[in-house]
Amino acid sequence: GENVEQHPSTLSVQEGDSAVIKCTYSDSASNYFPWYKQELGKRPQLIIDIRSNVGEKKDQRIAVTLNKTAKHFSLHITETQPEDSAVYFCAASTGANSKLTFGKGITLSVRP
Amino acid sequence: EAQVTQNPRYLITVTGKKLTVTCSQNMNHEYMSWYRQDPGLGLRQIYYSMNVEVTDKGDVPEGYKVSRKEKRNFPLILESPSPNQTSLYFCASSFLGLAGTYEQYFGPGTRLTVT
Repeated sequence: GENVEQHPSTLSVQEGDSAVIKCTYSDSASNYFPWYKQELGKRPQLIIDIRSNVGEKKDQRIAVTLNKTAKHFSLHITETQPEDSAVYFCAASTGANSKLTFGKGITLSVRP
Repeated sequence: EAQVTQNPRYLITVTGKKLTVTCSQNMNHEYMSWYRQDPGLGLRQIYYSMNVEVTDKGDVPEGYKVSRKEKRNFPLILESPSPNQTSLYFCASSFLGLAGTYEQYFGPGTRLTVT
């Protein structure tokens, strides 16, 4: 089955700096890659997603890039703000039946 | 308001006492899933359902049962709970969008403790 890995498990950046979170996946058939943000005590919420026929997608301060050859995808957050502090999960799916495999999550801390 | 609801939100129970966590969505979504979240392990899918009467195992199905008799409801059943099922449980629903993407709408979570 699919295996999704996120490294590192924690990331700390200064407010205003950029943050990059990387994930790798194992199943070359995966074609859908969402990113979820989970604030403390809250439910996960989708922040951006990408399909394998697209190499990059942007939405204001966040972007996701996909490298199918290397089987990794990354979340880029520019001009980080304290409210960006949260746990971020990447996931991958073959899209055939809505089965999503999540990474273990990375805790992002933005220092004021 | 479009939402996914779960009940109960908190539950403390004892080993072996059967319990059910309910999940309901009002968005007419075809897909529903159950996840458990444990520290350091992220979100792991327990079961998912592609439509009424269609369910399949996720990554950690042992010790759990589900049913999908109605489109809106997807209860999670623990026939004989054990302490290793102490966890935070999330139900989610989704639909396949035109772009081939599907956003998971998560419920508020159920924190289960089995003693």
